[in-house]
Amino acid sequence: GDSVTQMEGPVTLSEEAFLTINCTYTATGYPSLFWYVQYPGEGLQLLLKATKADDKGSNKGFEATYRKETTSFHLEKGSVQVSDSAVYFCALSDRSGGFKTIFGAGTRLFVKA
Amino acid sequence: NAGVMQNPRHLVRRRGQEARLRCSPMKGHSHVYWYRQLPEEGLKFMVYLQKENIIDESGMPKERFSAEFPKEGPSILRIQQVVRGDSAAYFCASSQGQGKETQYFGPGTRLLVL
Repeated sequence: GDSVTQMEGPVTLSEEAFLTINCTYTATGYPSLFWYVQYPGEGLQLLLKATKADDKGSNKGFEATYRKETTSFHLEKGSVQVSDSAVYFCALSDRSGGFKTIFGAGTRLFVKA
Repeated sequence: NAGVMQNPRHLVRRRGQEARLRCSPMKGHSHVYWYRQLPEEGLKFMVYLQKENIIDESGMPKERFSAEFPKEGPSILRIQQVVRGDSAAYFCASSQGQGKETQYFGPGTRLLVL
C-alpha cells in the first residue's frame, strides 16, 4: 500500500540556518503530496501542497518540489526562525488509497536563537 | 468562515467508560475523516465518512469503536469501554469533495484514560 517515509528527528538548527527535511513516498497511483506543520498542543496546519509531478509548493518561505523520478518531496527553507520550531509531517493522498491521507512519522525541528 | 471544530478539546475518562468525540466540518464540506495520533507518532487513518455513510473504516479497531456522520449535526467518534491504550489525540479533517482535495484539520481532542 501507499506509504511515506521522512527523516527522523529531532533536527536542531541555529536561527538563519538552511533547513532540509527529506521525504520519500510509495504510491500505486499519482498522489497529491502535502507538508503539514504541528505546533505544540495544536492540530495540523497545511503548510504547502503539490498535485502533480514537477509542481513546486511554497508558503512562508518553505518550499518543496514534487519529484516523480525520485518519488520525493523534500521540504526546504533558506533561513529558519525560532518560530519555525514544530513537528513537520509529509503526507500523500491518492485515489487508489481511497483518498485518505497517509502521513509520515513526523520530524521535530528545534531552532535555537 | 469557521474552520473544522472539535469538542471537547480535552477529555478524561476512567477505564470502562465511554468517550464521545464530536467534529463539525468546515462549512460546505461533506467529507469527514478521523485520525488518531499516539504520543510521538504520526497520524493514523481511522475512518472516512460522508453524510449518513461510512465510506472506508479500514483503520478502525474492530471492537469498541464506531463513527457516524448524520444528516444533521456533527460527526461523532464513539469509543466504548475505554482502556488506557486509547489515550491519544484524535483529529478530524474535512474536505469539500472526493479526489485530490485538501483535507483541513481540526484542533483535535486529547483523550486521557485513567
